[in-house]
Amino acid sequence: RKEVEQDPGPFNVPEGATVAFNCTYSNSASQSFFWYRQDCRKEPKLLMSVYSSGNEDGRFTAQLNRASQYISLLIRDSKLSDSATYLCVVNGGGGGNKLTFGTGTQLKVEL
Amino acid sequence: EAGVAQSPRYKIIEKRQSVAFWCNPISGHATLYWYQQILGQGPKLLIQFQNNGVVDDSQLPKDRFSAERLKGVDSTLKIQPAKLEDSAVYLCASSLVGSEQFFGPGTRLTVL
Repeated sequence: RKEVEQDPGPFNVPEGATVAFNCTYSNSASQSFFWYRQDCRKEPKLLMSVYSSGNEDGRFTAQLNRASQYISLLIRDSKLSDSATYLCVVNGGGGGNKLTFGTGTQLKVEL
Repeated sequence: EAGVAQSPRYKIIEKRQSVAFWCNPISGHATLYWYQQILGQGPKLLIQFQNNGVVDDSQLPKDRFSAERLKGVDSTLKIQPAKLEDSAVYLCASSLVGSEQFFGPGTRLTVL
């Protein structure tokens, strides 16, 4: 079983749609969780951290369910500029700041 | 503020040749990471340094890959000899201890 699993997509959605990405992780000792965004042929960039209480940043909402070892990202009112690959990332803890990345979910927002 | 710098941006070599990549982290960042990203996959950590010491190199193929961070600043990653399956983007990242990692633009390696 992969440490971090995501549906690779692609998700093709019209502009203005709401889209949700899911992710599961296998290490129950994982301590922190993130969503990164990676544009085509660019480096990954931190989109947002994910907290158990859920957190929102504009049109983006992230949720964490530790009991189910499940992470989600919701994008509302999709824009063309949201087209990218979204990487689910888990920090295994232990003080080493070691990040484990999922394979990423590709999003294409269309007119 | 300057970001993480990497060179070269692109490299094409033949299998069994050697190659080296260079990374200059953000000033003041003690922790430096090298990742390998194969097409269609997420980045995979190869090695993590804190200052000039290795924190984690459990996923580094040590028979052909080596990395160093002399003086705790710049770092080089070397592959010798390269295999076809080493074709990937090699990403360098840096961070303050335990904080957000910032990635460089990567070096795209093609092994023919």
